[in-house]
Amino acid sequence: GDSVTQMEGPVTLSEEAFLTINCTYTATGYPSLFWYVQYPGEGLQLLLKATKADDKGSNKGFEATYRKETTSFHLEKGSVQVSDSAVYFCALVNTGNQFYFGTGTSLTVIP
Amino acid sequence: NAGVTQTPKFQVLKTGQSMTLQCAQDMNHEYMSWYRQDPGMGLRLIHYSVGAGITDQGEVPNGYNVSRSTTEDFPLRLLSAAPSQTSVYFCASSRDSGGGNSPLHFGNGTRLTVT
Repeated sequence: GDSVTQMEGPVTLSEEAFLTINCTYTATGYPSLFWYVQYPGEGLQLLLKATKADDKGSNKGFEATYRKETTSFHLEKGSVQVSDSAVYFCALVNTGNQFYFGTGTSLTVIP
Repeated sequence: NAGVTQTPKFQVLKTGQSMTLQCAQDMNHEYMSWYRQDPGMGLRLIHYSVGAGITDQGEVPNGYNVSRSTTEDFPLRLLSAAPSQTSVYFCASSRDSGGGNSPLHFGNGTRLTVT
């Protein structure tokens, strides 16, 4: 079945450091891929998405490229801020009606 | 624009009690779903609905019931609460009823503790 695997955290970075959170997926066909962010005490919010191979999703300085050859959708940001501290979830949706989420990666950015 | 509204925000139940978690959305979304979030396990789908009158089971449906009498509302019922149901519950909705580009919109969650 479809599934998402993302790197385990927690991740702690200094402000202005480079961020990579790895995400790989297993799915038949051509799923759409998403990154969601969850701030403390809140629900998940869409951060970015990509709907076909080689698409790059971007938002708020974050980027992720849909790589079908490596079945990956790694999240990157060139310079993190304290306000980026949150839990990040990789997710996919395929031709069915179910979204599949990774287990989440907690990021803490220290000044 | 309220989006997805969940009530209550917090709830404590004793084993065997019943309750309903409420979820309402004002975006005219066809697709609605319930997830539970547990440490180290991410989000797991409990039940979902692709439209009024239609519901289906997700990954972890046991112990939970749902109904979808209107497009706006999708309540989740716990008939006899168990400690294993202690979790944070999220309701989410989406414009499309199957796959595609539409992202999920989440409520702020209900933190449930069963003692």
